Amino acid sequence: QSALTQPASVSGSPGQSITISCTGTSSDIGTYNVVSWYQQHPGKAPKLLIYEGSKRPSGVSNRFSGSKSGNTASLTISGLQAEDEADYYCCSYAGSGTFDVLFGGGTKLTVL
Amino acid sequence: QVQLQQSGPGLVEPSQTLSLTCAISGDYVSSNTAAWNWIRQSPSRGLEWLGRTYYRSKWYDDYAVSVKSRITVNPDTSKNQFSLQLNSVTPEDTAVYYCARATSAGSYYAFDIWGRGTMVTVSS
Repeated sequence: QSALTQPASVSGSPGQSITISCTGTSSDIGTYNVVSWYQQHPGKAPKLLIYEGSKRPSGVSNRFSGSKSGNTASLTISGLQAEDEADYYCCSYAGSGTFDVLFGGGTKLTVL
Repeated sequence: QVQLQQSGPGLVEPSQTLSLTCAISGDYVSSNTAAWNWIRQSPSRGLEWLGRTYYRSKWYDDYAVSVKSRITVNPDTSKNQFSLQLNSVTPEDTAVYYCARATSAGSYYAFDIWGRGTMVTVSS
């Protein structure tokens, strides 16, 4: 299976909203509602932001939201803050009769 | 709160076996609502899920197709930890290795607790 496709970079100004896309196929994102999103700061482990497409774990800001349309999942960050500058990754079950889990290539968010 | 503490060597020679351990506090490796995973990250391969172990009346393990012939993930209930063994390593296996928990709350495909990561270099 191929990795999920994300834009390499996005940017926004403080207070603005940005959206990061994650494109898969009908075998993974299109069929299974288990997309998760992670934030990773340099030198740190990834942190879970969204699971099952749109659910937020306890303690995650409601500025982070997730959605899905067809084979594409999206992460929206509203009210951008300087500390949101990080790498963001999507993740999904690969389907196709395997146990594999796919990650996106990551998106670097720059807060201008 | 749940914490994962990783241990193991940072340097492995080519063709040898990479071995890492992940000690669990605040949860149990034999939990019926958790799965215990290994994930690695490198500049060339990005984030890559490797495999997991979990207990549902008996022990199960699942592995990524890319490493299935070389990997073993084992639980150790006496020490409440789980381990990764990756055989016949090459420089391509150089990466930061993470252990991580997934639970039924995320359909076992959301990793809510992560270890701090271990940088493993494959080199002679």
